[in-house]
Parts: sequence; structure tokens; C-alpha cells
Amino acid sequence: AQSVAQPEDQVNVAEGNPLTVKCTYSVSGNPYLFWYVQYPNRGLQFLLKYITGDNLVKGSYGFEAEFNKSQTSFHLKKPSALVSDSALYFCAVRSSGAGSYQLTFGKGTKLSVIP
Amino acid sequence: DAGVIQSPRHEVTEMGQEVTLRCKPISGHNSLFWYRQTMMRGLELLIYFNNNVPIDDSGMPEDRFSAKMPNASFSTLKIQPSEPRDSAVYFCASTGTSGANTGELFFGEGSRLTVL
Repeated sequence: AQSVAQPEDQVNVAEGNPLTVKCTYSVSGNPYLFWYVQYPNRGLQFLLKYITGDNLVKGSYGFEAEFNKSQTSFHLKKPSALVSDSALYFCAVRSSGAGSYQLTFGKGTKLSVIP
Repeated sequence: DAGVIQSPRHEVTEMGQEVTLRCKPISGHNSLFWYRQTMMRGLELLIYFNNNVPIDDSGMPEDRFSAKMPNASFSTLKIQPSEPRDSAVYFCASTGTSGANTGELFFGEGSRLTVL
């Protein structure tokens, strides 16, 4: 079975400071890893993904994430937070195995960027 | 690009009533997913369709829930009879062949269901 853990229900950061939202995962075989963002009363929007290759992946709105295989982590980062980044962030994983489609999401981390 | 379209956005009904949620996936996408989001359980996959065929419905909570995809541009999720514990936000998501291979899903805005 595959799973995702987001250990922090909420992260608060001052505007302009760097932010990190943590994610660890468990999956059989090689993982495909994703971050999605959800703004209030909206659907989830894709931010970025790791499939293979460079461990540091860059995505939308200046976000990036680092894949660490030994620590089974995929933390989301941004060098300088904006108030508009305040939202709910979901990490997700699925196996890279052929025929695999099940995307398992974490519980989400609420990011609040304080002006 | 219109995105995934869901209706209704909000539904308030009484226990025992039938509820039908609708989804129009992005044109050209051949995979469709129904998810349920609650505070307690987070995002749960209910059912997955590929090329209009239900592939995995193991997440459907019980027989009160049913889903159909009569054609590539329309899917429904029906709850009959509804119960208060069905209150949640229901999301539809779609993806194309390449997306299904890597997992990038496109979500609708969701249907918020309240069962009194």
C-alpha cells in the first residue's frame, strides 16, 4: 500500500521569508511524486511533479521541491513567500509501475503567509 | 480551455433524498476520477473510469453510491438515499493518456453536498 504523510497541519511564515512544506511517502518501487495547491472553495491545482531525473524540480509560481530517495521525502519550498501563497497544499504519490493509476494524497498542510 | 466542469456547485438536501452530481471532463481526456474530500478523511478516490469504462470502484463507500459515464464528455455520481454522513465536497478530475501515465490530474471546482 502507498501512503503520504504531511506532518504539519499548518505552517505559518512571514512574507518574504523562505517556506518549506514537508512530505514523506511510502510506495512500492519508484515513486511519482506531486504537489497540488487548493485555494478556498476551489479545486486542486497541479504545482509540480517528480518523475525521474534531477532531484530538484521546479514548478508553478516559483515553487520547487526536492526529491530525497534515502529519506523518502519530497518537501515543497519557495525562497520568498507571498501572501497570495496562502492556501492548502497537498502532496501525492503513486507507483511508477505499469498500469498504476491510484494517486494517494496526504491530508494537506495549510500555509498561512503573514504580511 | 474550459477545464473540468462540475454541477451543482452547492447542494443542500434532506436525508433520504436522491442526489446526482455531474461532471464534464476536459475534451480529449480519457481518464476520469471521482474524489470525496472531508476534514476527517481528506481526499478519497471513489471511482476511476478509463475510456468510459469503470476500472476501479473499490472506493465507493456502499451500494447507495453509483457512478456512470455514458460517453466521453459526461459522468454522474449518484447517492440514493443520501445520509448526513455523505456531506462532503465531491471532486471530479480528468487526465489524458500522458497525464494518466504521470498522474497530473485536472480537477473541477467541486460540488459541496450538505445532507440535513
